[in-house]
Amino acid sequence: SAVISQKPSRDICQRGTSLTIQCQVDSQVTMMFWYRQQPGQSLTLIATANQGSEATYESGFVIDKFPISRPNLTFSTLTVSNMSPEDSSIYLCSVEGQGASEAFFGQGTRLTVV
Amino acid sequence: AQSVSQHNHHVILSEAASLELGCNYSYGGTVNLFWYVQYPGQHLQLLLKYFSGDPLVKGIKGFEAEFIKSKFSFNLRKPSVQWSDTAEYFCAVVSGGGADGLTFGKGTHLIIQP
Repeated sequence: SAVISQKPSRDICQRGTSLTIQCQVDSQVTMMFWYRQQPGQSLTLIATANQGSEATYESGFVIDKFPISRPNLTFSTLTVSNMSPEDSSIYLCSVEGQGASEAFFGQGTRLTVV
Repeated sequence: AQSVSQHNHHVILSEAASLELGCNYSYGGTVNLFWYVQYPGQHLQLLLKYFSGDPLVKGIKGFEAEFIKSKFSFNLRKPSVQWSDTAEYFCAVVSGGGADGLTFGKGTHLIIQP
């Protein structure tokens, strides 16, 4: 299993600003995933972050808006840039067990943009 | 691309009633299937998963799910629900290679009335 810690757990931000969300895992993992859960919606994969390479973004998400860092095998950050109220969501970090045996999730970051 | 469809967005049951939540997926290859639960204010937690073998899988808290390949379905069941089962339930799928992140259904909000 993996224990994932996210910071901050919640924030209220002004439109036009940026927020960086941190994700720390208690073990080394090859891939880390970032998801978004908009109000009343399901989880949508934003990007996959591999250590040592650029993140891979899903359709509808771009690096300029959601830059990701992956400096080592236990840590990643997601930045939500130039925020608008539409970015108000819960952002979740996730890692998968070997062979996609299970996905483990952080507690999420609840972002409100005003 | 994978997709997951959950048929019931809101379900209200009385305690001791039986539960079945529908989940269908679309993907042509080998998949791993999951049901996750999110209790109010808590992390996503794995209820059960199917990779291969017996298509009837048992999870935590008395939940089970049946994989029917011909129907691309993975329905969740519980014979007798409890008030504490009130939560959001998500069906998810990942390709057998496991490198793509999970695709989630929209979720089912289950309310159990005492």
